[in-house]
Amino acid sequence: EAQVTQNPRYLITVTGKKLTVTCSQNMNHEYMSWYRQDPGLGLRQIYYSMNVEVTDKGDVPEGYKVSRKEKRNFPLILESPSPNQTSLYFCASSLDGGTYEQYFGPGTRLTVT
Amino acid sequence: GENVGLHLPTLSVQEGDNSIINCAYSNSASDYFIWYKQESGKGPQFIIDIRSNMDKRQGQRVTVLLNKTVKHLSLQIAATQPGDSAVYFCAENFPGTYKYIFGTGTRLKVLA
Repeated sequence: EAQVTQNPRYLITVTGKKLTVTCSQNMNHEYMSWYRQDPGLGLRQIYYSMNVEVTDKGDVPEGYKVSRKEKRNFPLILESPSPNQTSLYFCASSLDGGTYEQYFGPGTRLTVT
Repeated sequence: GENVGLHLPTLSVQEGDNSIINCAYSNSASDYFIWYKQESGKGPQFIIDIRSNMDKRQGQRVTVLLNKTVKHLSLQIAATQPGDSAVYFCAENFPGTYKYIFGTGTRLKVLA
């Protein structure tokens, strides 16, 4: 089954404790992206990757890091999480970045206390 | 389920009626637009897309209209069903970039 998977689905952590949210797709997609979703603000793009070893900032990259060492994986790293990063996070992938729909994962609910 | 938006505009329609969801986009140069549906507890799901060289595109029970003059996008759902209840987002792609900007969403409630 073609899908985007994220782990963990739920995470509660404390300020400053480094964490990684994994994202994997099995569709051989070139493009992958991370979004955060907050009430009243919709989805905001954090980082995206056009291909292996090629990443770029979205609209809200501060406090996040990403890497794309393999085509299928695109982890999101929070080196020092803060309470304002409490949010619902979605990973997405598409065939390429500019002209194809994105397939979204199920989401990761992160709470930073 | 996940709380995708506490203060979203809401459209309530009777089952069987047509629904029209509107979206104003931000960049007059954007050349690719997508509508997504998000059900409670799930990630957004693709509905239909349209490129800037078109002003209308039809799918199964859905139609997207693009008015570039006023930077407006609409999604029309024919014969709305209870399963259409969800939050709907439009998204635009900036030309020459791989960045996407999403609207804040509209909640559609289908009344039986």
